Amino acid sequence: GNSVTQMEGPVTLSEEAFLTINCTYTATGYPSLFWYVQYPGEGLQLLLKATKADDKGSNKGFEATYRKETTSFHLEKGSVQVSDSAVYFCALGLEDTDKLIFGTGTRLQVFP
Amino acid sequence: DTGVSQDPRHKITKRGQNVTFRCDPISEHNRLYWYRQTLGQGPEFLTYFQNEAQLEKSRLLSDRFSAERPKGSFSTLEIQRTEQGDSAMYLCASSAGFLYGYTFGSGTRLTVV
Repeated sequence: GNSVTQMEGPVTLSEEAFLTINCTYTATGYPSLFWYVQYPGEGLQLLLKATKADDKGSNKGFEATYRKETTSFHLEKGSVQVSDSAVYFCALGLEDTDKLIFGTGTRLQVFP
Repeated sequence: DTGVSQDPRHKITKRGQNVTFRCDPISEHNRLYWYRQTLGQGPEFLTYFQNEAQLEKSRLLSDRFSAERPKGSFSTLEIQRTEQGDSAMYLCASSAGFLYGYTFGSGTRLTVV
């Protein structure tokens, strides 16, 4: 079946530290991959996406590269800020089903 | 456009009662999705509409759950005879196609006591 596995949280970092949140997937076809972010008290927002192998999605200093050989889509940021504190969800989508499958989420806490 | 709106934001109900939630999507979006999210978990797919047609329902959606999207605009999700296990955040999202990403509402938090 189709599924997404994310690293357990919380991830706790100091401001300006490097961030990696791991995401791997299992899919029966050729999925598109997404990262969504949920800030406290808000709805989920699309952060970035990649629709085919070797694509790199980027937004707000965050990046993720679609690696078909390792079935991964790890989220990275070179220098986190306190305002990046949120829950991050990795998701995959298959066009024939037209819906997204989400991971369990990883909470990021950034301290000054 | 103010995004995806969900009403109410919170609902507390007694076990056995019926509840109905409303979602108003972005007007240009023809796809509307309902997800359920419990504490510490990611959103789980419940059902989705393309225009007014309900195209898929998850096995999670028992016969106590029903969703409608009359005229392809707003949608309602009704839960009959609520159970404590129904307590969760119910999320609505709309999209012009999943490759464009979803726009989520802020959710309706249901507590069944």
